[in-house]
Amino acid sequence: DTGVSQDPRHKITKRGQNVTFRCDPISEHNRLYWYRQTLGQGPEFLTYFQNEAQLEKSRLLSDRFSAERPKGSFSTLEIQRTEQGDSAMYLCASTPYPSYEQYFGPGTRLTVT
Amino acid sequence: AQSVTQPDIHITVSEGASLELRCNYSYGATPYLFWYVQSPGQGLQLLLKYFSGDTLVQGIKGFEAEFKRSQSSFNLRKPSVHWSDAAEYFCAVGELTGGGNKLTFGTGTQLKVEL
Repeated sequence: DTGVSQDPRHKITKRGQNVTFRCDPISEHNRLYWYRQTLGQGPEFLTYFQNEAQLEKSRLLSDRFSAERPKGSFSTLEIQRTEQGDSAMYLCASTPYPSYEQYFGPGTRLTVT
Repeated sequence: AQSVTQPDIHITVSEGASLELRCNYSYGATPYLFWYVQSPGQGLQLLLKYFSGDTLVQGIKGFEAEFKRSQSSFNLRKPSVHWSDAAEYFCAVGELTGGGNKLTFGTGTQLKVEL
């Protein structure tokens, strides 16, 4: 069990650029979650996959955000036309069926300049 | 909608002293409750969880928490704090949705341990 991994760990980008983050869940975990955490706050739910199906999206996930989980394994989160307000830590978590415990990765810290 | 309140933003305790971190939740049904710990620049590690049954739950690193339905609380305790416990602690409530469990977190309590 190697844990949830996320890549990159840090990303600095200029406003208006597109960025993509990757999350590799723990092997055989069929559920995968994305959260966003800003400074001084707790994580906020963004979206959730069960296998390859995206089952729920938060209103926080504007049209500039898109997430995929092809083949039900790794997931990607893309932000188009980044804004300074997108600066945050993006956390990924996975859960095995039928558990409800979420195991978090180390996160990707995004800084938009 | 569910919500979580952690009324203490910062807490400082001396090493060896006891610790209690407060958490109050709002949720219509029987809640799934969690405590996570986050070290600087790191992801979250699950300390303990409550789903049902015994209202006093034991977790890792010597932590425990007590679910009190009448007070809508799920406070985290540790009898003797170690310097390595310094971190940020988050309480969360889970909402079952489409087979998954969407977590709503509190704003966290930053724990400082004085030697």
